[in-house]
Amino acid sequence: DADVTQTPRNRITKTGKRIMLECSQTKGHDRMYWYRQDPGLGLRLIYYSFDVKDINKGEISDGYSVSRQAQAKFSLSLESAIPNQTALYFCATSVLRGDTQYFGPGTRLTVL
Amino acid sequence: GQQLNQSPQSMFIQEGEDVSMNCTSSSIFNTWLWYKQDPGEGPVLLIALYKAGELTSNGRLTAQFGITRKDSFLNISASIPSDVGIYFCAGHRFTSGTYKYIFGTGTRLKVLA
Repeated sequence: DADVTQTPRNRITKTGKRIMLECSQTKGHDRMYWYRQDPGLGLRLIYYSFDVKDINKGEISDGYSVSRQAQAKFSLSLESAIPNQTALYFCATSVLRGDTQYFGPGTRLTVL
Repeated sequence: GQQLNQSPQSMFIQEGEDVSMNCTSSSIFNTWLWYKQDPGEGPVLLIALYKAGELTSNGRLTAQFGITRKDSFLNISASIPSDVGIYFCAGHRFTSGTYKYIFGTGTRLKVLA
């Protein structure tokens, strides 16, 4: 079984809709992250959480919010989706040191 | 947001050839990392570097942490078809309560058998 899982794997939605992407992990790591990947731009950090009560904005947090429901669960929400949020979204985890990250399989989101 | 400059953007090589790619930054990092991403999957760590000047190998892969702490390179020797994918560098630092984990733009590698 995968250590980091993401649901859904693919999602098509319309402009203005609220959408939630979910991430679960069985690695027992405290730290969790959300990234988006766009062609030619690599991965960019949206939000990160060092534990259940600690949530921080990353490089590109505008238009996104997160919730850390438990050590193993970290959700990303788009309150009102717009077309330029069409991208591949990855969740990742790490241990306390925070340098090596373990990525989920990704969610491909299309906003029409 | 900041991104690292990674080159080349793409490479087409013959099986058995060696490959070199590099990554540069305008700012210093405490850790440099190299990841590989296969189609439909998330990135997977290949090598992590923790000290300026450090040279580390992982099988046919060798990576170095630049002396200035602003660059890193990755070499792949004797490439094989399964080396195909996108390679990303990443720089990490956590200083004065500010966490930075910045990825390069990626090098897409294609190996011709």
